[in-house]
Amino acid sequence: AQSVTQLGSHVSVSEGALVLLRCNYSSSVPPYLFWYVQYPNQGLQLLLKYTTGATLVKGINGFEAEFKKSETSFHLTKPSAHMSDAAEYFCAVSAGNQFYFGTGTSLTVIP
Amino acid sequence: DAGVIQSPRHEVTEMGQEVTLRCKPISGHNSLFWYRQTMMRGLELLIYFNNNVPIDDSGMPEDRFSAKMPNASFSTLKIQPSEPRDSAVYFCASSRDGPYEQYFGPGTRLTVT
Repeated sequence: AQSVTQLGSHVSVSEGALVLLRCNYSSSVPPYLFWYVQYPNQGLQLLLKYTTGATLVKGINGFEAEFKKSETSFHLTKPSAHMSDAAEYFCAVSAGNQFYFGTGTSLTVIP
Repeated sequence: DAGVIQSPRHEVTEMGQEVTLRCKPISGHNSLFWYRQTMMRGLELLIYFNNNVPIDDSGMPEDRFSAKMPNASFSTLKIQPSEPRDSAVYFCASSRDGPYEQYFGPGTRLTVT
């Protein structure tokens, strides 16, 4: 069975500070992993994805995530937060046609 | 590509009325998903189709909810009769067959008074 756990439903960072959003997964098969972002009153937008190959993946808006199989983690990072990064972030795992979303982390950026 | 298209974007209706939400997936995608999002329950998968066939409808809350996909380019989610607790944002998403990323529509904000 597949599942996703996002630690911290709310994260606050200062503008310019490191952003770290945590995601741990469980999967009985090699997973495909995703991060989505949802801005207010919008749908979910794909930030980045890991399928196979390089474990450090880069996405849009300066975000990146590293797949660590030994830790079953796929944490999302950005070196320097911008005010426009304030949004809800969802981690997701896919195996076969099944797709599982985490409960989301709301990111607040403090000026 | 136009992306996933949903209509209407906003729907306000009275309790007891029938509501129909519509979705046009991205051309070439053969998996389609309906989600509901609320503050209390977060993002919930209601049902998903593969090649127009419902594969998993275990998330459909009750018999008042039904979904159809008559062809590869159109799906509907119907609520009959609607209740205030159905108020939520309903998203449609589509993907290629397999463990690929889903593309989301802009959502339909439903308010049942």
